[in-house]
Amino acid sequence: EAGVVQSPRYKIIEKKQPVAFWCNPISGHNTLYWYRQNLGQGPELLIRYENEEAVDDSQLPKDRFSAERLKGVDSTLKIQPAELGDSAVYLCASSLDRTTDTQYFGPGTRLTVL
Amino acid sequence: DQQVKQNSPSLSVQEGRISILNCDYTNSMFDYFLWYKKYPAEGPTFLISISSIKDKNEDGRFTVFLNKSAKHLSLHIVPSQPGDSAVYFCAAQYNFNKFYFGSGTKLNVKP
Repeated sequence: EAGVVQSPRYKIIEKKQPVAFWCNPISGHNTLYWYRQNLGQGPELLIRYENEEAVDDSQLPKDRFSAERLKGVDSTLKIQPAELGDSAVYLCASSLDRTTDTQYFGPGTRLTVL
Repeated sequence: DQQVKQNSPSLSVQEGRISILNCDYTNSMFDYFLWYKKYPAEGPTFLISISSIKDKNEDGRFTVFLNKSAKHLSLHIVPSQPGDSAVYFCAAQYNFNKFYFGSGTKLNVKP
């Protein structure tokens, strides 16, 4: 069974540029999460989707971050414009539903903003 | 406000010995706790979990202990193996809401 797929794996951009990350969750998983992990810290939730509906986006900086999950499958996370402090690993995870304890994580996208 | 804390950033253990990783939390409403293991350049993988109605859960070499009165969680690995070397994150959740992760402990198991 294929795991959570993320692309790109690495991205280097200059500040003020836009960037987008893509996530393909495990087939059949209704719940999708985007996390940000700063160096030396644990993952922090940015947004959670139940199917195509964003049910928890309280930690998403909405002035520059946006996300979508069309058709309740793939998801994209966008930053526009990127700032130096956005440098981090962006992790996507999925689970069968929100009551399932096991979240399966993708390998992450390491973003470096110069 | 960090609700889940792992105060030891690293731990070194000899192969065959016990590894004990600790985690403290502040929110007494947390009702589910998990441990994840993370290898470099990979996403975290689920290891073991425990509900707040229990105080111990065991899965092979891995045992998680929960002390609700102390708001303390620990992961025991016995015996430790070199392949266990990774970063371990504890996470906590309440009422199926979002997970709060600790900052991780890097375990090094020496052959």
